[in-house]
Amino acid sequence: RKEVEQDPGPFNVPEGATVAFNCTYSNSASQSFFWYRQDCRKEPKLLMSVYSSGNEDGRFTAQLNRASQYISLLIRDSKLSDSATYLCVVNLLYNFNKFYFGSGTKLNVKP
Amino acid sequence: ETGVTQTPRHLVMGMTNKKSLKCEQHLGHNAMYWYKQSAKKPLELMFVYSLEERVENNSVPSRFSPECPNSSHLFLHLHTLQPEDSALYLCASSQGGLLNTEAFFGQGTRLTVV
Repeated sequence: RKEVEQDPGPFNVPEGATVAFNCTYSNSASQSFFWYRQDCRKEPKLLMSVYSSGNEDGRFTAQLNRASQYISLLIRDSKLSDSATYLCVVNLLYNFNKFYFGSGTKLNVKP
Repeated sequence: ETGVTQTPRHLVMGMTNKKSLKCEQHLGHNAMYWYKQSAKKPLELMFVYSLEERVENNSVPSRFSPECPNSSHLFLHLHTLQPEDSALYLCASSQGGLLNTEAFFGQGTRLTVV
């Protein structure tokens, strides 16, 4: 079973739309959670950390549900520049800081 | 300027060649990682170094040999690779331990084995 699972998409949405991605993780001992963004042929870059109480950064909102072991990312008012692959990442601190990456969800924002 | 620098950015090598990938981090982190990203596949963790000690070798073939001479530098020595080893190789670092933060990535080395 994969450590982190995501719907690969693609999600094709018009500009201004609201889009949500979900991700599930298998290890209940996971302690840190992140969303990364990866543009085509570039390295992943941190979009935002995910906190237990949920957190927001501008148009982006992340939620964590430990009981159900899933993480979500909501993007409001999508921009063309949001087109990218979004990677869900979990970290097991006890296991020498291993970061487990999902396969990513591709988002295409159309004019 | 990125806090994690990888060289070279692109590498083409024959199956009988020996080459090395280099990674340097300027963030004062104590953990460094090698990941492999093949086309249309998720990132695969290859090696983890914590405080210069290898703590993870994720069933990686011996034709990949990592080296971590100090907490700022990480190498991946390559020899007798196969065409299926062609991929984007990403180095990352993080501040491990109780104050764990996110992983910061270098720009990657795009490797083509011919």
